[in-house]
Amino acid sequence: GIQVEQSPPDLILQEGANSTLRCNFSDSVNNLQWFHQNPWGQLINLFYIPSGTKQNGRLSATTVATERYSLLYISSSQTTDSGVYFCAVLSPSGTYKYIFGTGTRLKVLA
Amino acid sequence: NAGVTQTPKFQVLKTGQSMTLQCAQDMNHEYMSWYRQDPGMGLRLIHYSVGAGITDQGEVPNGYNVSRSTTEDFPLRLLSAAPSQTSVYFCASSQLAGGPSSGELFFGEGSRLTVL
Repeated sequence: GIQVEQSPPDLILQEGANSTLRCNFSDSVNNLQWFHQNPWGQLINLFYIPSGTKQNGRLSATTVATERYSLLYISSSQTTDSGVYFCAVLSPSGTYKYIFGTGTRLKVLA
Repeated sequence: NAGVTQTPKFQVLKTGQSMTLQCAQDMNHEYMSWYRQDPGMGLRLIHYSVGAGITDQGEVPNGYNVSRSTTEDFPLRLLSAAPSQTSVYFCASSQLAGGPSSGELFFGEGSRLTVL
């Protein structure tokens, strides 16, 4: 089945720094999402981005489906950005299984 | 908008007890699913459904049952709880086809289950 890998696994930033999180997937997909799991455990939708680029405030995401990767950019990071960032793809096998990466754990220091 | 609603938020069980985690969505989504998340880990798919009367197994289905009698509800049943089922459980739903956000997955707030 499709494999989804995220890097880096852990990231520590000073407040105000920028960062790039990466999601690689092993097969063609037409559905990719980024989620933020905050320290209280809530899973928050950041982007639904099967291809192209989207921006929402300090966050933006780019998916290059033909090269099988997606990037999440966080600019001017804040302590509230801390948590775990997951990407997820819908398996192309037609079984309607969403496959999650193992996540990037981000800690932003004040 | 309520979105995806899970109950209860917290539950403590003794080994061998049974219980049902409830999940309801008000977005008329065809797809619903249950995941478990163990400490420091990612999300693993337990069961999913693509419509009323249709369910299928995910990665870790053993020890769990599901049914889908309506579009709105997708309960997860633990028939005989074991300590290995201590976890946080998330329900999620999405449309399957049609619309600009087809396939975007939405999560409930989670249910934290402890089995003693």
